[in-house]
Amino acid sequence: SQQGEEDPQALSIQEGENATMNCSYKTSINNLQWYRQNSGRGLVHLILIRSNEREKHSGRLRVTLDTSKKSSSLLITASRAADTASYFCATDAKGGTSYGKLTFGQGTILTVHP
Amino acid sequence: SAVISQKPSRDICQRGTSLTIQCQVDSQVTMMFWYRQQPGQSLTLIATANQGSEATYESGFVIDKFPISRPNLTFSTLTVSNMSPEDSSIYLCSVVSGPHPEKLFFGSGTQLSVL
Repeated sequence: SQQGEEDPQALSIQEGENATMNCSYKTSINNLQWYRQNSGRGLVHLILIRSNEREKHSGRLRVTLDTSKKSSSLLITASRAADTASYFCATDAKGGTSYGKLTFGQGTILTVHP
Repeated sequence: SAVISQKPSRDICQRGTSLTIQCQVDSQVTMMFWYRQQPGQSLTLIATANQGSEATYESGFVIDKFPISRPNLTFSTLTVSNMSPEDSSIYLCSVVSGPHPEKLFFGSGTQLSVL
């Protein structure tokens, strides 16, 4: 099965700086998503990028996808202390028949210092 | 979007006992998913709960250990049976809903500690 791997495992920055997290995966996908988790609670969907897209923006979030390298990056611009959380990438399997069956990466713990 | 209520939010249990986790959704959904997140780890799908049929389990998870009920389109339970300390994890209920079925909506999770 495919597995997303993320780096860095942990990232510590100052408020106002940009944060970049990377994700790699192993097999072909339909789409790649990023989720956020606060303090080990439920995950919140942030953004989805399809396999035929290369870049997507949502507010302060920018996601890129390179299917040739099987990698994605999440950029959070002008970070805030409230962005402190764990961030996970998640992929489905190309040709998969069921929504909701995602493979999650190991996650990046982001700490934004005020 | 879907609003999911999951309870209990946390529990501390003794080895050998069982715990049932409840998941209530504010709208009817076809599929519900149960994920496990072991300490410091990523999420792993346990099973897919479909209304009116048996749950579909992923490799490494069995019905005897994680029985699931899905009595209607808004509710599901996951039982963690005969618990051991290795079952200490966060258990998360999730659904797909609305015009973007690729996206998952999650409950707030159940943090389980087994002594």
